[in-house]
Amino acid sequence: SQTIHQWPATLVQPVGSPLSLECTVEGTSNPNLYWYRQAAGRGLQLLFYSVGIGQISSEVPQNLSASRPQDRQFILSSKKLLLSDSGFYLCAWSPVPNTEAFFGQGTRLTVV
Amino acid sequence: AQSVTQPDIHITVSEGASLELRCNYSYGATPYLFWYVQSPGQGLQLLLKYFSGDTLVQGIKGFEAEFKRSQSSFNLRKPSVHWSDAAEYFCAVSDSGYALNFGKGTSLLVTP
Repeated sequence: SQTIHQWPATLVQPVGSPLSLECTVEGTSNPNLYWYRQAAGRGLQLLFYSVGIGQISSEVPQNLSASRPQDRQFILSSKKLLLSDSGFYLCAWSPVPNTEAFFGQGTRLTVV
Repeated sequence: AQSVTQPDIHITVSEGASLELRCNYSYGATPYLFWYVQSPGQGLQLLLKYFSGDTLVQGIKGFEAEFKRSQSSFNLRKPSVHWSDAAEYFCAVSDSGYALNFGKGTSLLVTP
């Protein structure tokens, strides 16, 4: 069966520091991968998606970037965090685009 | 513009009472439709999905949803709510892109 791992679960970082959140999927190949950010009362905002290695599409221009160095690995990064980057970040995968997505447990990021 | 609306931000029901959470979408064609549940600090779990066919779909944890094309709705129901159902519920819709479009969620509180 397929599983998705996302870490760390919580992270407190100072403003201006770098960020790296990692997500890996097991039990499938060539998954579609997604990064979402969730703010209270605002639902899920799609940040990035990837349909293959090295293929990244950005939905919202911002202080974040994503990379997919391996088929089942998806990384969310920032060179310098802003206070506004605080939030709950969710990684997800789907077998084909635009179908049900399966989510990781999320990372609570607090920028101080 | 394509959108997903969950009109109720918060809903409170008594344990044992029936539940209906509303979801409306605005799309040109019939999209794929989904309901997810999220416990505090956790990722999203898929409850059920509708692609085509029977407009009443059954999901996990005793939930069901009915697709009504004439009303552009996909409401989630449960005959008898348990205290463990207290969570955030998200309706999601596929669109012409690569990822699901989520509503802003409905927070369910269950009282004794």
